[in-house]
Amino acid sequence: NAGVTQTPKFQVLKTGQSMTLQCAQDMNHEYMSWYRQDPGMGLRLIHYSVGAGITDQGEVPNGYNVSRSTTEDFPLRLLSAAPSQTSVYFCASSSMTDYEQYFGPGTRLTVT
Amino acid sequence: GEDVEQSLFLSVREGDSSVINCTYTDSSSTYLYWYKQEPGAGLQLLTYIFSNMDMKQDQRLTVLLNKKDKHLSLRIADTQTGDSAIYFCAEKNSWGKLQFGAGTQVVVTP
Repeated sequence: NAGVTQTPKFQVLKTGQSMTLQCAQDMNHEYMSWYRQDPGMGLRLIHYSVGAGITDQGEVPNGYNVSRSTTEDFPLRLLSAAPSQTSVYFCASSSMTDYEQYFGPGTRLTVT
Repeated sequence: GEDVEQSLFLSVREGDSSVINCTYTDSSSTYLYWYKQEPGAGLQLLTYIFSNMDMKQDQRLTVLLNKKDKHLSLRIADTQTGDSAIYFCAEKNSWGKLQFGAGTQVVVTP
């Protein structure tokens, strides 16, 4: 039982490049989400999913795409990276009925 | 829409009690949480409270919930230097969506 895994841990991109941040969980959780954390702003919800095939926008979805083809995986895609997307990204998962949200270790992304 | 607010900074002397406050707006909240984040680290779940409770105690931590006023607080007794961190309040609605506050930076001074 690995919990929530995220790859990569660190990434540097040039403006305009694309990439996918990977997130996987092995707890059969229905709910998965992506957050970004910026200094002084806490965690802001980017996108979330309540089950395979169902995704919805959070607070700051622009510039990001997600898909949920399986229960386990919830990748976050940056189509054309911008310096404003420099941040630390956290993936989380939970059961709809349980109290605990499980967080991945984070991905530190720098866009130059 | 949903909103979670908390004060940004708290300074406390070692050995004193710390109280961190949080307000939220979503009346469909099921659970409310306190997370701790140390520099360069991820989020550590400290404690949580179910929305139909008004108090929960866990060793040095006491959580108070006033559901009518949508006010949540975290009291840390006998604050230690290792308690210096950012503390996030969060609420989970009936869909499982988690909304975070901006975090309170707690600095413990000797």
